[in-house]
Amino acid sequence: QKEVEQDPGPLSVPEGAIVSLNCTYSNSAFQYFMWYRQYSRKGPELLMYTYSSGNKEDGRFTAQVDKSSKYISLFIRDSQPSDSATYLCAMSDGIQGAQKLVFGQGTRLTINP
Amino acid sequence: NAGVTQTPKFQVLKTGQSMTLQCAQDMNHNSMYWYRQDPGMGLRLIYYSASEGTTDKGEVPNGYNVSRLNKREFSLRLESAAPSQTSVYFCASSEVSLGPYNSPLHFGNGTRLTVT
Repeated sequence: QKEVEQDPGPLSVPEGAIVSLNCTYSNSAFQYFMWYRQYSRKGPELLMYTYSSGNKEDGRFTAQVDKSSKYISLFIRDSQPSDSATYLCAMSDGIQGAQKLVFGQGTRLTINP
Repeated sequence: NAGVTQTPKFQVLKTGQSMTLQCAQDMNHNSMYWYRQDPGMGLRLIYYSASEGTTDKGEVPNGYNVSRLNKREFSLRLESAAPSQTSVYFCASSEVSLGPYNSPLHFGNGTRLTVT
Protein backbone atom coordinates (compact mmCIF):
# COMPACT_ATOMS: atom_id res chain seq x y z
CA GLN A 1 0.00 0.00 0.00
CA LYS A 2 1.32 3.43 -0.93
CA GLU A 3 1.71 5.99 1.85
CA VAL A 4 -0.33 8.51 -0.14
CA GLU A 5 -3.13 7.58 -2.51
CA GLN A 6 -4.58 9.99 -5.05
CA ASP A 7 -7.13 9.26 -7.76
CA PRO A 8 -5.26 9.91 -11.03
CA GLY A 9 -8.41 10.84 -12.89
CA PRO A 10 -8.58 12.23 -15.50
CA LEU A 11 -11.29 14.58 -14.26
CA SER A 12 -13.17 16.77 -16.73
CA VAL A 13 -15.72 19.41 -15.62
CA PRO A 14 -17.44 22.43 -17.20
CA GLU A 15 -16.25 25.96 -16.52
CA GLY A 16 -17.74 27.40 -13.34
CA ALA A 17 -18.14 24.03 -11.59
CA ILE A 18 -16.87 23.30 -8.10
CA VAL A 19 -14.01 20.80 -8.21
CA SER A 20 -13.03 18.48 -5.38
CA LEU A 21 -9.64 16.77 -5.41
CA ASN A 22 -8.71 14.29 -2.69
CA CYS A 23 -5.88 12.29 -1.15
CA THR A 24 -5.78 9.67 1.55
CA TYR A 25 -2.71 8.71 3.54
CA SER A 26 -1.62 6.05 6.00
CA ASN A 27 1.19 7.70 8.00
CA SER A 28 -0.22 9.37 11.12
CA ALA A 29 3.07 11.29 11.58
CA PHE A 30 2.27 13.58 8.65
CA GLN A 31 1.55 17.11 9.85
CA TYR A 32 2.23 19.29 6.83
CA PHE A 33 0.02 19.03 3.78
CA MET A 34 0.58 20.68 0.44
CA TRP A 35 -1.05 20.95 -2.94
CA TYR A 36 1.14 21.50 -5.99
CA ARG A 37 -0.17 22.46 -9.43
CA GLN A 38 1.66 21.23 -12.52
CA TYR A 39 0.90 22.60 -15.98
CA SER A 40 1.73 20.47 -18.99
CA ARG A 41 5.48 20.30 -19.71
CA LYS A 42 6.26 22.38 -16.60
CA GLY A 43 7.52 21.71 -13.08
CA PRO A 44 5.13 21.62 -10.10
CA GLU A 45 4.49 24.86 -8.21
CA LEU A 46 3.19 25.19 -4.67
CA LEU A 47 -0.49 26.15 -4.58
CA MET A 48 -1.56 25.67 -0.95
CA TYR A 49 0.13 24.67 2.30
CA THR A 50 -1.66 23.60 5.51
CA TYR A 51 -0.42 22.57 8.92
CA SER A 52 -2.35 19.93 10.90
CA SER A 53 -6.16 19.79 10.66
CA GLY A 54 -8.59 22.43 9.49
CA ASN A 55 -9.31 24.58 6.47
CA LYS A 56 -7.31 27.19 4.63
CA GLU A 57 -8.72 29.46 1.97
CA ASP A 58 -6.92 31.40 -0.76
CA GLY A 59 -9.17 33.05 -3.30
CA ARG A 60 -11.07 30.35 -5.19
CA PHE A 61 -9.05 27.57 -3.55
CA THR A 62 -9.76 25.87 -0.22
CA ALA A 63 -7.55 23.20 1.33
CA GLN A 64 -9.08 20.94 3.94
CA VAL A 65 -7.35 18.44 6.24
CA ASP A 66 -9.07 15.77 8.34
CA LYS A 67 -6.33 14.02 10.30
CA SER A 68 -8.78 11.72 12.10
CA SER A 69 -9.76 10.23 8.72
CA LYS A 70 -6.31 10.69 7.15
CA TYR A 71 -7.95 12.54 4.29
CA ILE A 72 -7.16 15.84 2.60
CA SER A 73 -9.07 17.78 -0.05
CA LEU A 74 -8.60 20.72 -2.39
CA PHE A 75 -11.72 22.57 -3.53
CA ILE A 76 -11.72 24.90 -6.51
CA ARG A 77 -14.72 27.24 -6.78
CA ASP A 78 -15.82 28.88 -10.03
CA SER A 79 -13.33 26.77 -11.96
CA GLN A 80 -11.64 28.36 -14.99
CA PRO A 81 -9.99 26.85 -18.08
CA SER A 82 -6.69 28.17 -16.70
CA ASP A 83 -7.12 25.76 -13.77
CA SER A 84 -6.59 22.84 -16.18
CA ALA A 85 -3.49 21.09 -14.85
CA THR A 86 -2.33 18.12 -12.83
CA TYR A 87 -2.74 18.58 -9.07
CA LEU A 88 -0.37 16.76 -6.73
CA CYS A 89 -0.86 16.40 -3.01
CA ALA A 90 2.26 16.12 -0.84
CA MET A 91 2.87 15.50 2.86
CA SER A 92 5.65 15.49 5.40
CA ASP A 93 6.26 15.19 9.13
CA GLY A 94 7.67 18.06 11.18
CA ILE A 95 11.14 16.63 11.54
CA GLN A 96 12.46 15.38 8.24
CA GLY A 97 10.67 18.06 6.29
CA ALA A 98 11.38 18.14 2.60
CA GLN A 99 13.86 15.28 2.86
CA LYS A 100 10.90 12.95 3.38
CA LEU A 101 8.19 14.67 1.35
CA VAL A 102 5.76 12.11 -0.05
CA PHE A 103 3.76 12.93 -3.18
CA GLY A 104 0.51 11.50 -4.45
CA GLN A 105 0.30 10.29 -8.04
CA GLY A 106 -1.43 13.47 -9.21
CA THR A 107 -4.94 14.10 -10.59
CA ARG A 108 -5.21 15.43 -14.13
CA LEU A 109 -7.96 18.08 -14.29
CA THR A 110 -9.52 19.63 -17.40
CA ILE A 111 -11.94 22.58 -17.21
CA ASN A 112 -14.02 22.82 -20.38
CA PRO A 113 -15.12 26.29 -21.57
CA ASN B 1 14.37 35.89 -12.19
CA ALA B 2 15.18 32.44 -13.63
CA GLY B 3 14.56 30.33 -10.49
CA VAL B 4 15.65 26.71 -11.16
CA THR B 5 17.16 26.00 -14.58
CA GLN B 6 17.63 22.48 -15.93
CA THR B 7 19.58 21.37 -19.00
CA PRO B 8 19.02 19.67 -21.33
CA LYS B 9 15.24 19.75 -21.83
CA PHE B 10 15.19 16.51 -23.83
CA GLN B 11 17.63 13.63 -24.26
CA VAL B 12 17.62 10.23 -25.94
CA LEU B 13 20.23 7.70 -24.86
CA LYS B 14 21.07 4.16 -25.85
CA THR B 15 21.34 1.52 -23.14
CA GLY B 16 24.75 1.71 -21.50
CA GLN B 17 25.48 5.33 -22.41
CA SER B 18 26.21 7.89 -19.73
CA MET B 19 25.08 11.47 -19.27
CA THR B 20 24.88 14.27 -16.73
CA LEU B 21 21.78 16.35 -16.06
CA GLN B 22 22.58 19.89 -14.95
CA CYS B 23 20.65 22.05 -12.50
CA ALA B 24 21.27 25.58 -11.25
CA GLN B 25 19.27 27.84 -8.93
CA ASP B 26 19.59 31.57 -8.40
CA MET B 27 17.54 31.92 -5.20
CA ASN B 28 20.46 31.38 -2.79
CA HIS B 29 18.76 28.23 -1.47
CA ASN B 30 20.67 25.86 0.76
CA SER B 31 18.96 22.61 -0.25
CA MET B 32 18.60 20.98 -3.64
CA TYR B 33 16.87 17.81 -4.84
CA TRP B 34 16.54 15.48 -7.80
CA TYR B 35 13.18 13.77 -8.44
CA ARG B 36 11.91 11.49 -11.16
CA GLN B 37 8.28 11.50 -12.28
CA ASP B 38 6.71 8.41 -13.83
CA PRO B 39 3.07 7.77 -14.77
CA GLY B 40 1.14 6.37 -11.79
CA MET B 41 4.11 6.76 -9.44
CA GLY B 42 4.12 10.44 -8.60
CA LEU B 43 7.35 12.24 -7.81
CA ARG B 44 10.05 10.13 -6.19
CA LEU B 45 13.20 11.53 -4.60
CA ILE B 46 16.45 10.23 -6.06
CA TYR B 47 19.06 12.24 -4.14
CA TYR B 48 19.16 15.46 -2.19
CA SER B 49 21.73 17.90 -0.88
CA ALA B 50 20.72 19.52 2.41
CA SER B 51 23.56 22.04 2.14
CA GLU B 52 26.65 22.73 0.08
CA GLY B 53 29.12 19.89 0.56
CA THR B 54 26.57 17.22 1.54
CA THR B 55 24.54 14.72 -0.45
CA ASP B 56 22.23 11.90 0.64
CA LYS B 57 20.20 9.14 -0.93
CA GLY B 58 16.48 9.45 -1.38
CA GLU B 59 13.89 6.81 -2.16
CA VAL B 60 15.26 5.57 -5.51
CA PRO B 61 19.04 6.23 -5.73
CA ASN B 62 20.20 3.08 -7.54
CA GLY B 63 21.84 3.78 -10.90
CA TYR B 64 22.47 7.46 -10.16
CA ASN B 65 25.20 9.65 -8.72
CA VAL B 66 25.10 13.33 -7.79
CA SER B 67 27.50 16.20 -7.27
CA ARG B 68 26.82 19.43 -5.41
CA LEU B 69 29.27 21.54 -7.33
CA ASN B 70 28.65 24.72 -5.32
CA LYS B 71 25.68 26.37 -3.62
CA ARG B 72 23.99 27.08 -6.98
CA GLU B 73 24.57 23.84 -8.89
CA PHE B 74 23.53 20.22 -8.36
CA SER B 75 24.10 17.63 -11.10
CA LEU B 76 22.71 14.13 -11.61
CA ARG B 77 24.75 11.49 -13.45
CA LEU B 78 23.62 8.27 -15.07
CA GLU B 79 26.76 6.15 -15.49
CA SER B 80 25.20 3.35 -17.56
CA ALA B 81 21.68 4.20 -18.66
CA ALA B 82 18.95 1.54 -18.61
CA PRO B 83 15.44 1.60 -20.16
CA SER B 84 14.01 1.66 -16.60
CA GLN B 85 15.53 5.13 -16.24
CA THR B 86 13.26 6.52 -18.95
CA SER B 87 11.45 9.27 -17.05
CA VAL B 88 11.01 12.99 -16.54
CA TYR B 89 13.64 14.32 -14.13
CA PHE B 90 13.00 17.39 -12.00
CA CYS B 91 15.45 19.40 -10.00
CA ALA B 92 14.15 21.43 -7.06
CA SER B 93 15.51 23.73 -4.39
CA SER B 94 14.39 25.07 -1.02
CA GLU B 95 15.77 27.32 1.69
CA VAL B 96 16.11 24.43 4.14
CA SER B 97 15.31 20.72 4.06
CA LEU B 98 14.69 19.77 7.70
CA GLY B 99 12.16 20.66 10.32
CA PRO B 100 8.67 22.13 9.98
CA TYR B 101 7.78 22.41 6.35
CA ASN B 102 7.79 26.16 5.90
CA SER B 103 10.21 26.13 3.01
CA PRO B 104 8.45 25.20 -0.21
CA LEU B 105 10.14 23.41 -3.07
CA HIS B 106 10.82 25.37 -6.25
CA PHE B 107 11.00 23.12 -9.29
CA GLY B 108 12.65 23.42 -12.67
CA ASN B 109 10.76 22.49 -15.83
CA GLY B 110 12.28 19.04 -16.15
CA THR B 111 14.43 16.94 -18.44
CA ARG B 112 12.61 14.35 -20.53
CA LEU B 113 14.91 11.34 -20.87
CA THR B 114 14.32 8.31 -23.07
CA VAL B 115 16.64 5.30 -22.91
CA THR B 116 16.31 2.85 -25.81
